[in-house]
Amino acid sequence: QKEVEQNSGPLSVPEGAIASLNCTYSDRVSQSFFWYRQYSGKSPELIMSIYSNGDKEDGRFTAQLNKASQYVSLLIRDSQPSDSATYLCAVENTGNQFYFGTGTSLTVIP
Amino acid sequence: DVKVTQSSRYLVKRTGEKVFLECVQDMDHENMFWYRQDPGLGLRLIYFSYDVKMKEKGDIPEGYSVSREKKERFSLILESASTNQTSMYLCASTESGGGTYEQYFGPGTRLTVT
Repeated sequence: QKEVEQNSGPLSVPEGAIASLNCTYSDRVSQSFFWYRQYSGKSPELIMSIYSNGDKEDGRFTAQLNKASQYVSLLIRDSQPSDSATYLCAVENTGNQFYFGTGTSLTVIP
Repeated sequence: DVKVTQSSRYLVKRTGEKVFLECVQDMDHENMFWYRQDPGLGLRLIYFSYDVKMKEKGDIPEGYSVSREKKERFSLILESASTNQTSMYLCASTESGGGTYEQYFGPGTRLTVT
């Protein structure tokens, strides 16, 4: 079983819609969770981090964490064509090791 | 702003060559990481280091070695490059100290082994 699993997509949404990205993880002791955005040919850039159960909002982005279900999600409101990218879910376990999902490809259609 | 730089954006090497990939960070981070990224496989950890001269194997260390002689610099070495090491290599760094800190990535090196 992979440490972190994401649907690979591709996920397509129209401009202005809400994009919903999901991630599950296997290690119950995981403490920290991150969402990275990666444009084609570029390196990942951090967009959200979340450490506690519940929701965390930052502009158009909302991260949701449910540790009991081992589930993390990212909502992008008012999606823009510039949001088209691959979104990576990352989980930090003990010992400063990070595990990444394979990413979900998002396309926002103008 | 944290800045992580890598020595090359693109590199082409021949099978059997020794390859050095260098990574430098300017934020005095303790932890540094080397990943490779392949389509459908995501980011996979090769090695990481939590201090000068310290190193730990990641998930796929075979065929690689690392060196960390200075805090700001972490080198990845391919002792004898093979075609299956053609990939995007990403370096990252993060603070340590008991808290939780996000990783900052360098721009990546796309290595092609022919």
